[in-house]
Amino acid sequence: DVVVTQSPLSLPVTPGEPASISCRSSQSLLNSHGDNYLDWYLQKPGQSPQLLIYLGSIRASGVPDRFSGSGSGTDFTLRISKVEAEDAGIYYCMQALQGSPITFGQGTRLEI
Amino acid sequence: QMQLVQSGAEVKKTGSSVKVSCKASGYSFTYRYLQWVRQAPGQALEWMGWIIPFNGNTQYAQKLQDRLTITRDTSIDTAYMELTGLRSEDTAMYYCARSKDPYGLEVWGQGTTVTVSS
Repeated sequence: DVVVTQSPLSLPVTPGEPASISCRSSQSLLNSHGDNYLDWYLQKPGQSPQLLIYLGSIRASGVPDRFSGSGSGTDFTLRISKVEAEDAGIYYCMQALQGSPITFGQGTRLEI
Repeated sequence: QMQLVQSGAEVKKTGSSVKVSCKASGYSFTYRYLQWVRQAPGQALEWMGWIIPFNGNTQYAQKLQDRLTITRDTSIDTAYMELTGLRSEDTAMYYCARSKDPYGLEVWGQGTTVTVSS
């Protein structure tokens, strides 16, 4: 299976400051069409996860533009330009490489 | 609006089975992936498998494929996750989620707690 490894596992941040989370894959997630099969999710306390970013860099509907995703192949980053209190929770990356079982990272706890 | 509503909490004995339902509304159930993800207490998300309601095609996580069955009833826009041979480590919150493709789980159910004890 494809292993995805996140870092850091815990990230204390101050409101208004930027934050970034890294996700590294054991295999390239880039297909022949130039798509990277990497999503980012946020799970707020007591809630179901919500989709933030898909295909590495495309913001899901309704996601604030302070969230951005970048990277290609095996190295990806989620950035929050200016953290707000409502951004607290656990962030997960998920790979969905074609032909392989889907796997999630371990999660990164954003503490504000 | 697009919505997935799951069945209620379950308490099961070790070795028994559980079947959780996930009813879709507000979108075309048939042509979207319906996925199952679980989360043990204090642990990370774990992908279990998906089904394409249109043709019934499924894919399962290897560690669960001997015990897991995902089915659907397109007449009532509902998917089911059945897990047999329950163990204490199956105690978790179980989520269904919809996606257009295998990636991008854009709509999630509210979750169903399954507790397994002897």
